[in-house]
Amino acid sequence: KNQVEQSPQSLIILEGKNCTLQCNYTVSPFSNLRWYKQDTGRGPVSLTIMTFSENTKSNGRYTATLDADTKQSSLHITASQLSDSASYICVVTGSQGNLIFGKGTKLSVKP
Amino acid sequence: SQTIHQWPATLVQPVGSPLSLECTVEGTSNPNLYWYRQAAGRGLQLLFYSVGIGQISSEVPQNLSASRPQDRQFILSSKKLLLSDSGFYLCAWSRLAGGFSDTQYFGPGTRLTVL
Repeated sequence: KNQVEQSPQSLIILEGKNCTLQCNYTVSPFSNLRWYKQDTGRGPVSLTIMTFSENTKSNGRYTATLDADTKQSSLHITASQLSDSASYICVVTGSQGNLIFGKGTKLSVKP
Repeated sequence: SQTIHQWPATLVQPVGSPLSLECTVEGTSNPNLYWYRQAAGRGLQLLFYSVGIGQISSEVPQNLSASRPQDRQFILSSKKLLLSDSGFYLCAWSRLAGGFSDTQYFGPGTRLTVL
């Protein structure tokens, strides 16, 4: 069964600290993996997209990594800011175009 | 630049009442359009997608329906709402050529509460 599991479910960090969010998937075959940021009460916004041949992609302070062999991805946030408080959603696209969404990690950045 | 609008932003409806949520996209032509529902504590669930006017594909059986009367307009409807229809409804678009593999751009969402 195609699944996307994200961990941790929630995370609290202090402003300025780094953090890493995890995404494990069982989708096979696999087309691409995306990370979205969703502010509370808003629609998700795309952060990164990686195909199976890419193993890292950066977008400012956000860096996503992908290990297609172990079917794991991580999103690393550097020097966190209060505005990073949001849910981060991992989405995997299968080769037939089917989208499988993770439940997200809720990140809270405290001053 | 492209923008996507949804309205209303919030809605409180009694069980059994009808529903109509609207989504419009500006700044692009022939987009793929999507309706998602996000229930509390759960991931996004794809409800419908459309690759063109009048072309609707349903992903899950339910009492909701979708229509695409114009190229950049997508409507989510129900004749009789259920309590389980409560949730956060998101509309999204992507470039037609990219299909599902292309990045999807989401609207601001509609918070629906069915009482």
